Amino acid sequence: DIQMTQSPSSLSASVGDRVTITCRASQGIRNDLQWYQQKPGKAPERLIYAVSSLQSGVPSRFSGSGSGTEFTLTISSLQPEDFATYYCLQHNSFPYTFGQGTKLEIK
Amino acid sequence: EVQLVESGGGLVKPGGSLRLSCAASGFSFSGAWMTWVRQAPGEGLQCVGRIKSKTEGETTDYAAPVKGRFTISRDDSEKTVHLQMNSLKTEDTAVYFCHFNHMGVWGKGTTVTVSS
Repeated sequence: DIQMTQSPSSLSASVGDRVTITCRASQGIRNDLQWYQQKPGKAPERLIYAVSSLQSGVPSRFSGSGSGTEFTLTISSLQPEDFATYYCLQHNSFPYTFGQGTKLEIK
Repeated sequence: EVQLVESGGGLVKPGGSLRLSCAASGFSFSGAWMTWVRQAPGEGLQCVGRIKSKTEGETTDYAAPVKGRFTISRDDSEKTVHLQMNSLKTEDTAVYFCHFNHMGVWGKGTTVTVSS
C-alpha cells in the first residue's frame, strides 16, 4: 500500500495567515493527488485534484503544488470558514490512501 | 445536480450483516468507478473498496481489513452501488461514505454501529 504522511497533524493560525500543509507519498504517484476539506459532521469536500487543479467553486486562495512524492496545499489568506480538517488522498493505486489529516484551528 | 445518497446504516451485533446502498444522480453512472470510504468516530478516512464499471468487468478491490467480509456490487439500471457487510466487528463502526472519485463527489454518509 502507498503510505501518505501528512504534516502537521494540527496547526493553529489566525485569520489572514498563509498556511501550508504537506503530504509525502511512500512512492511516486504521478499527479494522482487530491486535497479535501472536512468540517465536523460533514462529508469531505474536494478542493484540489490532479495536484494543482482547483475544484469548481473553490476560492482561489486555495492552491496545490508538488510532484513525485511531495505535495503541498497552501491557503494564501485564511478566512474564518477555512478552519477545518484537511486530508490529502492518493488514487494512483488501490487501496486509495488518505493522509492522517491536519486540523486547522483558530489561534 | 450531481448527488450521492447513502442508506442502510444502523445498529448491528458483532457477527451480523448489513447492506448499504448508494443512489447516484446527475452524472453518467454506468461508466463511473465507485468507492466506499469509512470514518470511525474521531478518526481519519479509510478507503474500504472500489468497483469498476461494467465495461471493465465490474472488477472489485477491497482494503485488507474488510477483504473476505465485504462485497461491493452495482446496478447500473438503478444507478445504485451496494456494500454488503458480513461478519461485522466492533472496529467496523464508522460513518460510511459513497464516493465518486473522478468528480470528487461524496454522499452525506450513513452510520454503522457494531455493538452488543
